Amino acid sequence: GENVEQHPSTLSVQEGDSAVIKCTYSDSASNYFPWYKQELGKGPQLIIDIRSNVGEKKDQRIAVTLNKTAKHFSLHITETQPEDSAVYFCAASSNDYKLSFGAGTTVTVRA
Amino acid sequence: DAGVIQSPRHEVTEMGQEVTLRCKPISGHNSLFWYRQTMMRGLELLIYFNNNVPIDDSGMPEDRFSAKMPNASFSTLKIQPSEPRDSAVYFCASSRGQGQPQHFGDGTRLSIL
Repeated sequence: GENVEQHPSTLSVQEGDSAVIKCTYSDSASNYFPWYKQELGKGPQLIIDIRSNVGEKKDQRIAVTLNKTAKHFSLHITETQPEDSAVYFCAASSNDYKLSFGAGTTVTVRA
Repeated sequence: DAGVIQSPRHEVTEMGQEVTLRCKPISGHNSLFWYRQTMMRGLELLIYFNNNVPIDDSGMPEDRFSAKMPNASFSTLKIQPSEPRDSAVYFCASSRGQGQPQHFGDGTRLSIL
């Protein structure tokens, strides 16, 4: 099955700086890569996703890049704000429904 | 619009008891998912329904776990009998269909004593 590895496990950044989270996947058939943000006591919230026919996607301060050859994808958050503090999960899917999640990255934005 | 609604939000019960978790998907969504989140194993898919039919239940850990979707607006996940190792946060998610983004509820935090 699909194996998704996520790094780093924790990330502390100064407010206003950028944050980058990286994930690798094992199944070359994977074609859908969503990113979720989870706040304490809440469910994962979809923040951005990308499909394998696209190399990069941007939504305001958030961007995701995908390298199919290397089988890795990354989340970039620019101009970080305290409300960006949360746990972020990457995921990959090859069959249109089963998401394999990374272990998560705890992001702390220091004011 | 209302998101995915789960109940109860918290459940504490003694081992051996039956536990029933409930989920109301987003209106118009025809795919429903049950996930379990633990520190050790992260987020794992337990079962996937499409148009109220179970498509993939390979993630259901044991026969003690069962899930039903009697109609498009309601699903249950039942554990009978419950064991301490079932303690986790259980999430329900829904999507418009296969290949569409999944939207999660806020989960049920289950503690089995």
